[in-house]
Amino acid sequence: AQSVTQPDIHITVSEGASLELRCNYSYGATPYLFWYVQSPGQGLQLLLKYFSGDTLVQGIKGFEAEFKRSQSSFNLRKPSVHWSDAAEYFCAVGADGNKLVFGAGTILRVKS
Amino acid sequence: GAVVSQHPSWVICKSGTSVKIECRSLDFQATTMFWYRQFPKQSLMLMATSNEGSKATYEQGVEKDKFLINHASLTLSTLTVTSAHPEDSSFYICSAVSTGLRYEQYFGPGTRLTVT
Repeated sequence: AQSVTQPDIHITVSEGASLELRCNYSYGATPYLFWYVQSPGQGLQLLLKYFSGDTLVQGIKGFEAEFKRSQSSFNLRKPSVHWSDAAEYFCAVGADGNKLVFGAGTILRVKS
Repeated sequence: GAVVSQHPSWVICKSGTSVKIECRSLDFQATTMFWYRQFPKQSLMLMATSNEGSKATYEQGVEKDKFLINHASLTLSTLTVTSAHPEDSSFYICSAVSTGLRYEQYFGPGTRLTVT
């Protein structure tokens, strides 16, 4: 069965610093991978997704992610974090029946 | 576009009562909607898949008689928590799949249920 691991529960970065959130997945075939952001009072918003093709995926709000099959990873990056990026981030993998399997999430704190 | 609403956004009910949560796709038709449950500082756990005009499919360990799901139209799915108990207190989130787009789930803002 598919599974997603986000090793970091909390991450704190300084505003303007770079960010990398880790995600590892378990899936037998080529995975469909997603990153979502959840802000308080708002629904999950899709940042980016990988289905096939170029392994470096660009998303909204300046985020990107790189699919590395050899490492079963799909890490999310941003070169310069803004205070408004503070939120919880979820990595997910597509499963049968259009389902999504989510990781436990990483809470990002941004310090000024 | 692709907006999903949930109502209510929060609800408090007494133990033993039932509460209904609505999930609506506002500007698109959704043949499939999903219901998730999220505990504090934990991930989203899929509860059930709701398909318009048919019975919902529940994930293993989810009591279908307790969490009644109805998907009566292409824009509305409801989750009724029956005979609620304090352990049912949680954050319930729905998502809707735009017809024909694989894995393209749009999420509602969630409903906070507190059972006293």
